[in-house]
Amino acid sequence: DVKVTQSSRYLVKRTGEKVFLECVQDMDHENMFWYRQDPGLGLRLIYFSYDVKMKEKGDIPEGYSVSREKKERFSLILESASTNQTSMYLCASGRLRNTEAFFGQGTRLTVV
Amino acid sequence: QQQVKQSPQSLIVQKGGISIINCAYENTAFDYFPWYQQFPGKGPALLIAIRPDVSEKKEGRFTISFNKSAKQFSLHIMDSQPGDSATYFCAASTRGYQKVTFGTGTKLQVIP
Repeated sequence: DVKVTQSSRYLVKRTGEKVFLECVQDMDHENMFWYRQDPGLGLRLIYFSYDVKMKEKGDIPEGYSVSREKKERFSLILESASTNQTSMYLCASGRLRNTEAFFGQGTRLTVV
Repeated sequence: QQQVKQSPQSLIVQKGGISIINCAYENTAFDYFPWYQQFPGKGPALLIAIRPDVSEKKEGRFTISFNKSAKQFSLHIMDSQPGDSATYFCAASTRGYQKVTFGTGTKLQVIP
């Protein structure tokens, strides 16, 4: 089974903190994605990566950055957390040119 | 800018009934239309998908109907069961391009 593992299920951080969300996949997938999920807004793409050290902005990249130093690991960084970044964050991976995405269980981040 | 519009936001169906969720898209370049199912506390998982060269795809109790001219597609769940209670997301993407655009989600509750 494909496994996408997010390092934390729940996180509480203070406004202004730098926050790292980590994601690891074990299926040698080329593509990795970060989404945020908010009620009534569905899943919105923040960033995605199709190769090591490669990244592309999604629909809502403002306030976020990403890092992909190894194929299996994709990190989402909130440079200075704000309360409007309180959300569920979902990591996903998939094969190149195959549009099925495999999701992790999510990290519920609360910024206070 | 919501490129994939999904309705209804929530749906209550009696056991054994038919659940119907509708989606509409604007971008005519979309050529892959998956549906994802998400249970509480889990990430979304691919349920069924269709390409626009067919008008219908059926897998067990789940059927996608696709109307290319109207730019609409829908998910039908026949003989709905309490175990189908989940949030359903429609989505769309372009062949060879891994960015997937999701709808806003439908929370389905199947009552005994």
